[in-house]
Amino acid sequence: SQKIEQNSEALNIQEGKTATLTCNYTNYSPAYLQWYRQDPGRGPVFLLLIRENEKEKRKERLKVTFDTTLKQSLFHITASQPADSATYLCALDFLTGANNLFFGTGTRLTVIP
Amino acid sequence: DAGVIQSPRHEVTEMGQEVTLRCKPISGHDYLFWYRQTMMRGLELLIYFNNNVPIDDSGMPEDRFSAKMPNASFSTLKIQPSEPRDSAVYFCASSSRGTNEKLFFGSGTQLSVL
Repeated sequence: SQKIEQNSEALNIQEGKTATLTCNYTNYSPAYLQWYRQDPGRGPVFLLLIRENEKEKRKERLKVTFDTTLKQSLFHITASQPADSATYLCALDFLTGANNLFFGTGTRLTVIP
Repeated sequence: DAGVIQSPRHEVTEMGQEVTLRCKPISGHDYLFWYRQTMMRGLELLIYFNNNVPIDDSGMPEDRFSAKMPNASFSTLKIQPSEPRDSAVYFCASSSRGTNEKLFFGSGTQLSVL
């Protein structure tokens, strides 16, 4: 069965540095890969979507890469700020027609001032 | 738009009781999803609707769970009878084109079954 792993449960970095979060999957490559941010007591909020034929996507300080050979997506936050502290989830859509997004368990990022 | 609205935010009930969770999706969105989030298993899809019709309920754990969408602006997830292992956060999400674009999540219902 498909497995989705996000590199670590928690990641602490210093303010101003670049945070890099990893999402690895096994078996089949998804057609779409999404990243969400979740704050405590709130629902996930969409950040970026990347398609399997795209290598990289950017939005302001955020960058996502998608490597189907390595079966991996990297999510970068440059010039990180304490307000970026949250849990980040990757979600994979295998385009089976089932409309089922498979979510990783998330990485909790803490940006230290 | 106010976004996806869920109620109640918190629900505490005793084992065996019926629980009903409610969701109002974003107007114009044709897809509605019910997810459950736990520490152990993360976010899992329970059921989704397209144009008010249930399409895939394979994630619904047992017959104790049921979901309805009587119209485009309202959906319910019912658990009867509830059990302690149902304790989790239940999220409703909507989108205009399914999972090949972004989902909009509500704030969730924290359910505790004692």
